[in-house]
Amino acid sequence: GQQLNQSPQSMFIQEGEDVSMNCTSSSIFNTWLWYKQDPGEGPVLLIALYKAGELTSNGRLTAQFGITRKDSFLNISASIPSDVGIYFCAGQLGTSYDKVIFGPGTSLSVIP
Amino acid sequence: NAGVMQNPRHLVRRRGQEARLRCSPMKGHSHVYWYRQLPEEGLKFMVYLQKENIIDESGMPKERFSAEFPKEGPSILRIQQVVRGDSAAYFCASSPQGANEQFFGPGTRLTVL
Repeated sequence: GQQLNQSPQSMFIQEGEDVSMNCTSSSIFNTWLWYKQDPGEGPVLLIALYKAGELTSNGRLTAQFGITRKDSFLNISASIPSDVGIYFCAGQLGTSYDKVIFGPGTSLSVIP
Repeated sequence: NAGVMQNPRHLVRRRGQEARLRCSPMKGHSHVYWYRQLPEEGLKFMVYLQKENIIDESGMPKERFSAEFPKEGPSILRIQQVVRGDSAAYFCASSPQGANEQFFGPGTRLTVL
């Protein structure tokens, strides 16, 4: 089946630092999604990407849909303590509503 | 506008009992998805439903698990004769017609004793 790989698996950074994480797949996806999950909660959608090469920002977050459609990255600038959590990349194979395939996640810890 | 609602938030069952998990999608959303998350893992797709129809159940175990989304009322994920390996967080997501973005509920954490 389709699999997504995320790196790094975990990160420990100082408050104020920038963060970069990425996601790769052996399959081509039509949609890339980035979610954040806090402990005990459901994932919250951060950014959705629909076109190869698309670069989208949401506040301090920036994500890009790779040209090959097999990868995506997420950057967080000037990290703050509330950025702590698990970040999941996810992809959809279909061009319309479709099940979401999740990566294993990147755990982010921010040291004040 | 309320988000996706799931209840109960926590459910404890003994082996062999039945577990019923409920999901009310966001208002106006007609598509419901169920996912399972084991500790320290990503979410795994189980089933995709529209009102009164199962569209994709490729992630559902063949036995003991069933899902429905009736014309009226919430979507139900039912697990019969639970075993310890069923212990996990079960998340429901919903989306409106024709949209890619799925919005997740807070999950139901099932513990099987």
